[in-house]
Formats: sequence, structure tokens, C-alpha cells
Amino acid sequence: GENVEQHPSTLSVQEGDSAVIKCTYSDSASNYFPWYKQELGKGPQLIIDIRSNVGEKKDQRIAVTLNKTAKHFSLHITETQPEDSAVYFCAAIPGAGGTSYGKLTFGQGTILTVHP
Amino acid sequence: NAGVTQTPKFQVLKTGQSMTLQCAQDMNHEYMSWYRQDPGMGLRLIHYSVGAGITDQGEVPNGYNVSRSTTEDFPLRLLSAAPSQTSVYFCASSRHPTGGMETQYFGPGTRLLVL
Repeated sequence: GENVEQHPSTLSVQEGDSAVIKCTYSDSASNYFPWYKQELGKGPQLIIDIRSNVGEKKDQRIAVTLNKTAKHFSLHITETQPEDSAVYFCAAIPGAGGTSYGKLTFGQGTILTVHP
Repeated sequence: NAGVTQTPKFQVLKTGQSMTLQCAQDMNHEYMSWYRQDPGMGLRLIHYSVGAGITDQGEVPNGYNVSRSTTEDFPLRLLSAAPSQTSVYFCASSRHPTGGMETQYFGPGTRLLVL
């Protein structure tokens, strides 16, 4: 099945700096890559996603890039704010032909701390 | 819309006890799933359903049963709780029947402690 590796496990930045979280996946049939933010005591919430026919997607301070050849994708947060502090998860879903078709596989998570 | 709701929020069980974690969604989503979240391991898929009457196993199904008699509800049953099932459980739903390439909406979670 699909395997998703996420790095780093913890990330500490100063307010206003940028933060980058990287993920790699194993199943070349994966074609959808969402990113989730989880605040303490809550369920994960989708913040941005990218499909395999797109190399980059941006939504205000958040951007995601995808390199299908290398099978890795990254989350970029610019001008970080204290309220960005949370756990971030990447995920991948294999498309038709993949052994885990339609099943969401998560990375291990990154604890982001933004210091004021 | 309430979205995805889960009950209870927190539960303590003794080894060998059984219980049902409830999950409901009011978005008329076809796809529903259960995940468990353990430290350092992300979220792992337990069981999922692509519609009423249809369920299938995920990555870690042992010790759990599910059924889907209605579109709205997808309960998760622990038949004989074990300490290894201590975890936080999340239910999620999605419009797409396979869950793929569609936003999955998560509930607030149930924190389970098995002694």
C-alpha cells in the first residue's frame, strides 16, 4: 500500500518567518495530496490540497508544491503567525490502479510552533 | 449543518469490556471512515464505508467492527477492549463514494483509555 513520510517532526519558527514541511510518498498512482491542520483537542481540518495534474497551488499565505517525478510534495507557510501553531499532516490518496485506491494515507505529522 | 459529530468525547474502559463509538454526519456524504491517532504515527484507517450497507477494512481493522445501516450513521464497535486500543478515534466523511480527491471532513474525536 501507500507509505507517506513527513519531515520534520517538530518545527519552531519566529513570527513572520516562513515554515516548510516536506512529505514523500511511495505509490506512483497517488493523485491527490491534501494537507490538514489539527489544533489541540480538535479533529484535522483541510487547509489546502493539490491534484497530480498541478505543480503548485497557493492560497494566501499557504502554498503547496508537488514533484511527481521525485514523489514528494511540500507545504509552505509564509509570514507565520502564532495562530499557525498546530500539528500539520500531509496525506496521499492513490487513484485507480493503486493498491490503496481511494484510501487516505497520512504522514506522521509536524508540530509547528510559532513564537511571538 | 452540524457536520460530523462523535460521541462520547471521552471514555474509560476496562480490558475486555465492549463499547460503541458513535459517528453521524448530516451532509448526505456517501463515504465515511474511522481512523485512530497515536503519537508519532499520524492517523491510520480502521474501517470505511462507501455507502449504506457497504463496509471494508482499512489498515488496522483487528479488534473493531463496523456497520452502515443508514447514510448518516457509522458506528465503530470494540468487541473486547485491549490496552493497545487506547487512542484517539476520529470519524470522517466525504462526498465522493471512494473518498478520493474530495475533502474529508473530520469529527472532533473520541479519546479512549483502556485500563
